[in-house]
This record gives sequence, structure tokens and C-alpha cells, in this order.
Amino acid sequence: KAGVTQTPRYLIKTRGQQVTLSCSPISGHRSVSWYQQTPGQGLQFLFEYFSETQRNKGNFPGRFSGRQFSNSRSEMNVSTLELGDSALYLCASSLVVTRETQYFGPGTRLLVL
Amino acid sequence: TQLLEQSPQFLSIQEGENLTVYCNSSSVFSSLQWYRQEPGEGPVLLVTVVTGGEVKKLKRLTFQFGDARKDSSLHITAAQPGDTGLYLCAGAVGNQFYFGTGTSLTVIP
Repeated sequence: KAGVTQTPRYLIKTRGQQVTLSCSPISGHRSVSWYQQTPGQGLQFLFEYFSETQRNKGNFPGRFSGRQFSNSRSEMNVSTLELGDSALYLCASSLVVTRETQYFGPGTRLLVL
Repeated sequence: TQLLEQSPQFLSIQEGENLTVYCNSSSVFSSLQWYRQEPGEGPVLLVTVVTGGEVKKLKRLTFQFGDARKDSSLHITAAQPGDTGLYLCAGAVGNQFYFGTGTSLTVIP
């Protein structure tokens, strides 16, 4: 069974631009969560989607948004990029909204210049 | 202040040594998880502890959940270079999911 895939793996943007990251969960998994990982703040929860609905949201500004499609694939969007948005963005999938067993993708490394 | 504090933050030991990593919080968790993350990859779930006082063993790794479900520890016996990585504890409080501050372990051959 294929694991969680994330595209692109690496991305360079400039301040003020927007970016869209994609995550394809493990087949059959309906829950997708997004996390931001930085050296200073560690891993922080962004939001979680289940059956195309946002179920939970972390403490991030409205510039961070996401959505989930009917095939469970998910995208997250960051608008008006800031230097501090440079991070590794991780996606995790699970069967249901328990997060007790999450499978992470390799992440998308975003650099904002 | 992070909800889950891990100590130590960095650990460099020789192959064959034992080590313990701690994960502490002032909040009560229904369960805690431990992950290991290697460079360029996402975290991989090692174990989930659910019951206060629970001890789980995974080969040379021993995980313990505190009686009050506010803390957990990870003990590695006879560490090997393959144990090198970032160890993270994690758990949910309400609708929020938190990761610990992380412990970066390096095992020197």
C-alpha cells in the first residue's frame, strides 16, 4: 500500500506570494492533518480535515487555509507569505479522526525569501 | 511555553550506552504517543500509551506513561547508531494535538 505523498517536496517563494501544497493520504484514509515544523517552534498543528470538512484548527492566522476533496486528497494554502512561514509542512493521514495512529508524509520544505 | 516539554533537548552517546528521554506536561492526556523522525522524513509512530502507569516495550525501547497521565518516558537500552534521530512525544488535549519540543539523539559508533 502506498504511503502518504506530498508535492512538491521543495519550494522557494518570495514574500507576499501565495503557495499551495498538496497531500495524498493512504488509500482508504479519510482524515488528513497538516503540521508546520520549524527549528524554533517545533511541530505545530495547523488543521485537520475529515470527509471534506475541517474538524479542528490550530492557532494559526487566517492566511493559512486548507481543503479536502471527495477523494480525501487535501491541499493547504498560505497567502501573503512571510519570512517566518519558512518551514517543513507535514501532512498526516489516518483512518478516522482519532490521531492515535497517524502516518506522515515526507513533507514539503518551503523557503520564503 | 510548550504544552509538552522534553528533556534533554540534545543527547550524544556512544553505541551500547543506555538513555532515557522525558516528556512532561502540566496537562492530563488521554494518551501519549512517541515518534521518531529522521532527516528528510516525516515522523514515524513508535508507540501509543493509554493507561496511567502503563509500560510498553518495543525491542530495546521501553515506554512508560505516568500514573497521572501527565508525563511519559522513553528508555533505550544498548543504543545503536540506527537509533539516531529526533524523538517526539505527542498527545491531544481537547481538539488540539500537540507535539513535544523534541529530543535529538545521536548514537556514535
